[in-house]
Amino acid sequence: EVQLVESGGGLVQPGGSLRLSCAASGFTFSSYEMNWVRQAPGKGLEWVSYISSSGSTIYYADSVKGRFTISRDNAKNSLYLQMNSLRAEDTAVYYCAREYQLLSYDYWGQGTLVTVSS
Amino acid sequence: QSALTQPASVSGSPGQSITISCTGTSSDVGSYNLVSWYQQHPGKAPKLMIYEGSKRPSGVSNRFSGSKSGNTASLTISGLQAEDEADYYCCSYAGSSTYVVFGGGTKLTVL
Repeated sequence: EVQLVESGGGLVQPGGSLRLSCAASGFTFSSYEMNWVRQAPGKGLEWVSYISSSGSTIYYADSVKGRFTISRDNAKNSLYLQMNSLRAEDTAVYYCAREYQLLSYDYWGQGTLVTVSS
Repeated sequence: QSALTQPASVSGSPGQSITISCTGTSSDVGSYNLVSWYQQHPGKAPKLMIYEGSKRPSGVSNRFSGSKSGNTASLTISGLQAEDEADYYCCSYAGSSTYVVFGGGTKLTVL
């Protein structure tokens, strides 16, 4: 059974940092591209970042470029999102999502809540 | 403001059909057949319903279908059922610069 389990969310002050993790199981993690997608409270989905299966290709949404860093460790079946210079508008549930066919996401984690507030 | 425009809400009675539109531009929906649709129940993670415009993943009911005309993609749900009540989001590739954009979401109410 495919499982994606996010962790690392919490309350952080504006300007602070947080590192999210996504533990994958039930599939060959190293063969799949992965993404982070977020959802602010009561709002819609927003794509955040993409990483290729090898980690050699990475994309970011303009809203997080220069502040967030996506990475992966295929030996540990894990995906990461390092978030720096956090802002109130980064408050959201962050989901990791497996990329299925081109630019569609077939498995999602349960999400981890990040709250940026003083 | 989301990059793709969806109606805020749609409604229908059990057994009826409804269509949710997703309007983009020639830089995203209009240029690529890479629109996907997601269903999200309250407090749950999104679920993939349609990919590459009109393809259904294994396990998704054939009551769900996708199509595209110009810069607008559409999700049609036929034979509405109570469990279809949820939020629906469209998503499209938007080129190597922007990469991916989502619609603002549509709340489907089954009357």
